[in-house]
Amino acid sequence: NAGVTQTPKFRVLKTGQSMTLLCAQDMNHEYMYWYRQDPGMGLRLIHYSVGEGTTAKGEVPDGYNVSRLKKQNFLLGLESAAPSQTSVYFCASSYSNRDLAVLDEQFFGPGTRLTVL
Amino acid sequence: GDSVTQMEGPVTLSEEACLTINCTYTATGYPSLFWYVQYPGEGLQLLLKATKADDKGSNKGFEATYRKETTSFHLEKGSVQVSDSAVYFCALWMDSSYKLIFGSGTRLLVRP
Repeated sequence: NAGVTQTPKFRVLKTGQSMTLLCAQDMNHEYMYWYRQDPGMGLRLIHYSVGEGTTAKGEVPDGYNVSRLKKQNFLLGLESAAPSQTSVYFCASSYSNRDLAVLDEQFFGPGTRLTVL
Repeated sequence: GDSVTQMEGPVTLSEEACLTINCTYTATGYPSLFWYVQYPGEGLQLLLKATKADDKGSNKGFEATYRKETTSFHLEKGSVQVSDSAVYFCALWMDSSYKLIFGSGTRLLVRP
């Protein structure tokens, strides 16, 4: 049981380049999330998904796109990277049983450190 | 909108000292409250949680009580260890919004 894994761990891009960050979870969780972490700002939600084939915008979605073609995978894309997107990116997943109004914890991946020059 | 406010760090303590990290929240309904911990170079891990008023979450010697009257969820530990050095995040969950809202984090440094 690997939990939540992220690929790659580190990446350096030049302005204007594109890339995709991959998140995978093996816990059969319905919900998946992408956050960015910047100094002094905590974690900010970029996009999230409440199930296969569905995605929604979070707090800071501009410049990013996502896809959830398979339940276990959640991809974050940067079409044209900018220096402002230099950050540490975390993926998370959770199972939320809304019928019982009980929230299970979010499980986080180890992060991807992205630098845009 | 809903938000979480944490005390600014860093908090520097000697080993075996008492710890309190303040967290207050603003929410339109009745959120669930969480403390997450991030050790150096790692992702966040759930430390403890409370889902309704007056609930006390506890784990690894840490405690926090959901205080509706003061809209607070302060993290406490009676005797910290060097291994507790990490960044601590307070967060709230509003089920209607499907997402966690995090505070800015408080860095704790425990010296031997």
